[in-house]
Amino acid sequence: KQEVTQIPAALSVPEGENLVLNCSFTDSAIYNLQWFRQDPGKGLTSLLLIQSSQREQTSGRLNASLDKSSGRSTLYIAASQPGDSATYLCAVWPQGGSEKLVFGKGTKLTVNP
Amino acid sequence: DGGITQSPKYLFRKEGQNVTLSCEQNLNHDAMYWYRQDPGQGLRLIYYSQIVNDFQKGDIAEGYSVSREKKESFPLTVTSAQKNPTAFYLCASSTGPNTEAFFGQGTRLTVV
Repeated sequence: KQEVTQIPAALSVPEGENLVLNCSFTDSAIYNLQWFRQDPGKGLTSLLLIQSSQREQTSGRLNASLDKSSGRSTLYIAASQPGDSATYLCAVWPQGGSEKLVFGKGTKLTVNP
Repeated sequence: DGGITQSPKYLFRKEGQNVTLSCEQNLNHDAMYWYRQDPGQGLRLIYYSQIVNDFQKGDIAEGYSVSREKKESFPLTVTSAQKNPTAFYLCASSTGPNTEAFFGQGTRLTVV
């Protein structure tokens, strides 16, 4: 059974710092991996999708990498801003016909002015 | 604007009542999903549908029902058989399985 883990559960950093959020998954047989952002009381916003054949994806100040063989992904946020404060969720589409996203519990990020 | 619309944003249910949460998408996606989110837990799949008039149970389907009569609509009914329905419910869609998923803004259901 595929399991997704995100460590740490919470992270607090000063504004301007570069930071890395971690995601690990137990089974390397995945179609792709997706990073989301969730603001309090809101839905999920898709940030980046990395297909299993890709090593990384970039969008603005965000860069996500994928190492499928080791079951790890990282989300790099450059020059963090208070507006980046949110919960970041990682999810994988497992192979094997399950047809559903499997989510981690998220990392709650606070960027202090 | 293309997107997923969930309504209502807040919903209150009395004990023993059935309630229906609405999810509409104008992205022309074939696949739609319902997830439940509880504090301290990851999102859990309730039901999903890959095509009109077909749907499958997810991990926690007991006490819930769905229909998929139209491509753009996937309503979720929380029945009185669901013992602990208070949660945040999220609807999502994608072009198909294993493709980028997009989410609505959620419905917060509270039992009173």
